[in-house]
Amino acid sequence: GQNIDQPTEMTATEGAIVQINCTYQTSGFNGLFWYQQHAGEAPTFLSYNVLDGLEEKGRFSSFLSRSKGYSYLLLKELQMKDSASYLCAVRDPAGGGNKLTFGTGTQLKVEL
Amino acid sequence: DAGVTQSPTHLIKTRGQQVTLRCSPISGHKSVSWYQQVLGQGPQFIFQYYEKEERGRGNFPDRFSARQFPNYSSELNVNALLLGDSALYLCASSLSPRGMIGSQHFGDGTRLSIL
Repeated sequence: GQNIDQPTEMTATEGAIVQINCTYQTSGFNGLFWYQQHAGEAPTFLSYNVLDGLEEKGRFSSFLSRSKGYSYLLLKELQMKDSASYLCAVRDPAGGGNKLTFGTGTQLKVEL
Repeated sequence: DAGVTQSPTHLIKTRGQQVTLRCSPISGHKSVSWYQQVLGQGPQFIFQYYEKEERGRGNFPDRFSARQFPNYSSELNVNALLLGDSALYLCASSLSPRGMIGSQHFGDGTRLSIL
């Protein structure tokens, strides 16, 4: 089966750093994705990890440890516009496809 | 460049009716996936099509069906609608199912309400 866990809600201060954790237990693994979703909008792609380690992309970084089934998304220099839901998703290679299994999302609130 | 486009944006149906949702992928993308997102939850995988062939099916009843056309656009059909089918239906496209180029780009979705 597929199980992806992430915190439901987090609150952080503008200008600060926040780390959103994701743990997963899946039958197959071919990459982990992070998406940002503002209320009423489509998810937008943030990052992709398939090998262990840190991927940095501007204010956003994502880390993966396959042996621990663990990833985190790090957001630096938080801005009010970063208030959104952050979705962790694991890609299942079964059938040669591109099925993503999503967590329930972490609602991040950035405060002044 | 046009992103993934979905139609209609909003739809209201009653129980027992049938609905067809449409999706046009980003130009050059050959893989299309459909997801259902209930309020407060992450998207749930329904179908994936690549090169007009079904590549994956999620845990949804047979009332849900889909197809992909030669121009790579896709339709999702849901028959015998139930109240629980009320959700945001997202379409995502990617160049291929594999690798980084498999990162999926989502459309704005169709919000389906069942009365």
